[in-house]
Amino acid sequence: LAKTTQPISMDSYEGQEVNITCSHNNIATNDYITWYQQFPSQGPRFIIQGYKTKVTNEVASLFIPADRKSSTLSLPRVSLSDTAVYYCLVGVVLNAGNNRKLIWGLGTSLAVNP
Amino acid sequence: DAGVTQSPTHLIKTRGQQVTLRCSPKSGHDTVSWYQQALGQGPQFIFQYYEEEERQRGNFPDRFSGHQFPNYISELNVTALLLGDSALYLCASTQGTNEKLFFGSGTQLSVL
Repeated sequence: LAKTTQPISMDSYEGQEVNITCSHNNIATNDYITWYQQFPSQGPRFIIQGYKTKVTNEVASLFIPADRKSSTLSLPRVSLSDTAVYYCLVGVVLNAGNNRKLIWGLGTSLAVNP
Repeated sequence: DAGVTQSPTHLIKTRGQQVTLRCSPKSGHDTVSWYQQALGQGPQFIFQYYEEEERQRGNFPDRFSGHQFPNYISELNVTALLLGDSALYLCASTQGTNEKLFFGSGTQLSVL
């Protein structure tokens, strides 16, 4: 199972761009990279998912280099409400009901300051 | 369209008791996974249910069991509660092979 490594914590200020990098050296060919956001006492919330190159949605961008051994979640112009824990996961659903067990690490605790 | 709903939101039990937690998946979803999240830790996978069967299981003892009903609602049962079972229990649903998990707000279980 692919293991991920992220910084334990990061600090930023309102209006800045935040980049959180995740290392996944043993990512498998079929694995996708998925990021979740979690606020205290709430369940994680899906942010973005990608396989290679760049993916962008209304919330964030995900950059994946050609070797796919790392990925970077980019949050543009963060606000105080972006203070949360961000998890990077790699894995793939092989078929219905046979979901590969995704491994959740400690995540990155992002603190956005005024 | 209701998302994933879990009940109860909070629960206090004593050691040795048992507990049943309930999860109603998002409309249209057929796969339910359960996670345990201790304070300051990432979610730990307990098991996953699809078509009323346990399809995958994490490293949890047999005290942890579950069930999925024909309407896809799922229950998590924990017997002989230990202090270490105190955690936030999260339910996530998805549809078929979709990798995107939708989580409920969880049940905060405290074992005294």
